[in-house]
Amino acid sequence: AQKVTQAQTEISVVEKEDVTLDCVYETRDTTYYLFWYKQPPSGELVFLIRRNSFDEQNEISGRYSWNFQKSTSSFNFTITASQVVDSAVYFCALSEARRSYGQNFVFGPGTRLSVLP
Amino acid sequence: GAGVSQTPSNKVTEKGKYVELRCDPISGHTALYWYRQSLGQGPEFLIYFQGTGAADDSGLPNDRFFAVRPEGSVSTLKIQRTERGDSAVYLCASSLGGATGELFFGEGSRLTVL
Repeated sequence: AQKVTQAQTEISVVEKEDVTLDCVYETRDTTYYLFWYKQPPSGELVFLIRRNSFDEQNEISGRYSWNFQKSTSSFNFTITASQVVDSAVYFCALSEARRSYGQNFVFGPGTRLSVLP
Repeated sequence: GAGVSQTPSNKVTEKGKYVELRCDPISGHTALYWYRQSLGQGPEFLIYFQGTGAADDSGLPNDRFFAVRPEGSVSTLKIQRTERGDSAVYLCASSLGGATGELFFGEGSRLTVL
C-alpha cells in the first residue's frame, strides 16, 4: 500500500535561513510519481514539482531544490534563503502508475513552515 | 475563471441535514478527485472520476457519502444525515488524467456540522 510520511510537523526558521523538509514514502510499485504541493494560508494547494521513479536527478528551481533518493525512499525539499512568503504547509504526495488511469494520490500529513522576519 | 471552482466556500449545517458540495473542474480535464482535509492533516482521498464514472470510490467513509459527475464535467459530493465528524474542508482537484498528471485544486468547501 502507498504511504507518505513527513516526520516534521512544524518548522520555524528565521528569514534567509535554509530549510529542508523531509519526505519518506512506501510503495510496492517500481513505477511511481512523487509530488510536492504548497498550501498557503489562503488554502488552495499549489503544485510545486513532480518526479518519476526512474529519474533520480536532483532538481533546482530558483530557491527550491529537491533531493530524490530511491535507496532511502526519500524525496526531500530544500528552500534556500527562505522568505516570509514561503510560510505555508507543504505536502509530499505519491501516485502509483499501476493502473491505466490516474488513481488516488496519497498525501503525507504535511509540514507547517513558518518563516519569521 | 480558468481554475477549479468549488461552491459553496463555506457551509454551516445542523447534524442530520443533507448537504451538496459542487466542483467545476478545469475545462478539458477528464480526471476529477474529491479529498477531505481535517484541521492539521493532509488531504484524505475520497473518490476519483475518470469521465462520468467513478473509477475509484474506495475512500468514501460510508454510505452517507455519494458523488456524481453525470456529464463528465461538474461533480457534486452529497452527504446525507450529516454528523459532527463530517466537519472538514472538502477539496476538489482535476487533472488531465493518468498517474503522472499534476492535480489542480480548488479552494475547498469548508463544512461545519453543528
